[in-house]
Amino acid sequence: RKEVEQDPGPFNVPEGATVAFNCTYSNSASQSFFWYRQDCRKEPKLLMSVYSSGNEDGRFTAQLNRASQYISLLIRDSKLSDSATYLCVVGSGYALNFGKGTSLLVTP
Amino acid sequence: SQTIHQWPATLVQPVGSPLSLECTVEGTSNPNLYWYRQAAGRGLQLLFYSVGIGQISSEVPQNLSASRPQDRQFILSSKKLLLSDSGFYLCAWSRLLTLANTGELFFGEGSRLTVL
Repeated sequence: RKEVEQDPGPFNVPEGATVAFNCTYSNSASQSFFWYRQDCRKEPKLLMSVYSSGNEDGRFTAQLNRASQYISLLIRDSKLSDSATYLCVVGSGYALNFGKGTSLLVTP
Repeated sequence: SQTIHQWPATLVQPVGSPLSLECTVEGTSNPNLYWYRQAAGRGLQLLFYSVGIGQISSEVPQNLSASRPQDRQFILSSKKLLLSDSGFYLCAWSRLLTLANTGELFFGEGSRLTVL
């Protein structure tokens, strides 16, 4: 079983739509959880951390369910500039384990 | 501000040829340094990390090696490339060895390697 699993997509949504990405992880001892964003043929960049209580950053909301080992990212009011691959990342100590990513395409 | 550079950006190499990718970090001292590989259709795989000069930890057995000759320099090498070495290689740095607090890795722009 892979450590971090994501639906690869692609998700094609119109501008203004709400879209949700899901992620599951296998290591119950994982301590830290993040979403990274990667534009086509570019390096990944940290989008946001994910906290147990859930957290929001503008149009982005991240949730964590430790019991189910499940992480989600919700994007509201999608913009064209949100088109990218979203990587679910789970950390334990020094290691960050990256999912393969979910591809999002926002269309006019 | 901190910056990270890696080169070359793109290279095409024949099977069996050597490889050297270089990465330097500016604007910080004693960073933790990492080499990741992103193969087509796969997630980022941690290859090596380093907490200091001459200190290298390998995560996966392979025909690649890493060296850290200076505090802010990290080099990825191979004596003989395999077809399976093709991929997008990313150098990264962090402030903390334990990434649990911030999770923030700062990546270089990547080196796209094609082995033919």
